[in-house]
Amino acid sequence: GNSVTQMEGPVTLSEEAFLTINCTYTATGYPSLFWYVQYPGEGLQLLLKATKADDKGSNKGFEATYRKETTSFHLEKGSVQVSDSAVYFCALNGNAGGTSYGKLTFGQGTILTVHP
Amino acid sequence: NAGVMQNPRHLVRRRGQEARLRCSPMKGHSHVYWYRQLPEEGLKFMVYLQKENIIDESGMPKERFSAEFPKEGPSILRIQQVVRGDSAAYFCASSPLGFGVLAEAFFGQGTRLTVV
Repeated sequence: GNSVTQMEGPVTLSEEAFLTINCTYTATGYPSLFWYVQYPGEGLQLLLKATKADDKGSNKGFEATYRKETTSFHLEKGSVQVSDSAVYFCALNGNAGGTSYGKLTFGQGTILTVHP
Repeated sequence: NAGVMQNPRHLVRRRGQEARLRCSPMKGHSHVYWYRQLPEEGLKFMVYLQKENIIDESGMPKERFSAEFPKEGPSILRIQQVVRGDSAAYFCASSPLGFGVLAEAFFGQGTRLTVV
């Protein structure tokens, strides 16, 4: 079945540091890949997505590239801010081309804390 | 256009009681998904519903849990005879009708169930 593995957390950085959160996946076929962010006490918000190999998703300074050869979708940001402190989830939808967009397989989440 | 609305935000139940969680999808969305997030874990898919139909309930526990999405009104996740292990955050997501991989699922803020 499908699975997503994220790097262990928590991750603690100083403001303006470079961020990488690793994500690898196992899936049959050609899944769509997502990063979601969850701020304290809130629901999940879609941060970025990529639907095919070599696509780069980007939003709010965050980027991730769909690497089929390494089955990875690592999240990066060049300069983090205190407001980026949140939990980040990598996810995949293995039903590419189907209708169940919302049936997602999530990683366990990575807690990011950014200090001033 | 209001987002996905879940209520209540917090729910406390004693062991053996019933918990009823509601989810109103975004306007125009006819697909609803329920997820459970146990403490310090990622979200786990439970069930996928369209109006009046259960499409995929592969993530639902076999007993005590049920879900519906009636023609009128919100989707309901019902947990009968709750136990302490049911304490978790329950998230609902909705997506529009259609085909292809470009649509996304939008998440509500969740209902945090505590069983005492």
